[in-house]
Amino acid sequence: DTAVSQTPKYLVTQMGNDKSIKCEQNLGHDTMYWYKQDSKKFLKIMFSYNNKELIINETVPNRFSPKSPDKAHLNLHINSLELGDSAVYFCASKSLGLREQFFGPGTRLTVL
Amino acid sequence: DQQVKQNSPSLSVQEGRISILNCDYTNSMFDYFLWYKKYPAEGPTFLISISSIKDKNEDGRFTVFLNKSAKHLSLHIVPSQPGDSAVYFCAALYTGNQFYFGTGTSLTVIP
Repeated sequence: DTAVSQTPKYLVTQMGNDKSIKCEQNLGHDTMYWYKQDSKKFLKIMFSYNNKELIINETVPNRFSPKSPDKAHLNLHINSLELGDSAVYFCASKSLGLREQFFGPGTRLTVL
Repeated sequence: DQQVKQNSPSLSVQEGRISILNCDYTNSMFDYFLWYKKYPAEGPTFLISISSIKDKNEDGRFTVFLNKSAKHLSLHIVPSQPGDSAVYFCAALYTGNQFYFGTGTSLTVIP
């Protein structure tokens, strides 16, 4: 009965590969986010979707493409992975009328 | 450009004493502030928040203070317990959807 779930929890891959991280929330929220936490522990927003529409798109490389098939899912696809993409990626969701976000457990991506 | 800063990466406190975690921000347009707590291998969980129209919000052992003129907020935990040992993130909200997080402060409560 996890509120926000992410798969996989760990992802180890080679440079140049393409990979996806999936996120699902069962809270009925209408806004979902992707964050990247780098080696300096800085938690930085990447994307936000509201009702399947992109509302926040921070300056991230075009290799990162979010996809929201429905309100409960926001997946992150990364093309041509680079060493600098190694980080922990967190998915989060919230209700439009509220301010508190609910986070998933994170996906630790390691690019070799 | 980091708009929310937590300048103390770590803090150690004796059990039963007060823990004070600090956060500074640069953008005067932020209208809501939140504190999140994070355990290893888990995502951050919401702890307490405060609107920019208030200067204090209390919830049990946790109190957040906001000083708008100084662009500073702090989280007080009294009394501190070993289970409070975690990383605490300060976050600021702008336009209702855009969150800015600090780099976190790792709190260790010593039994």
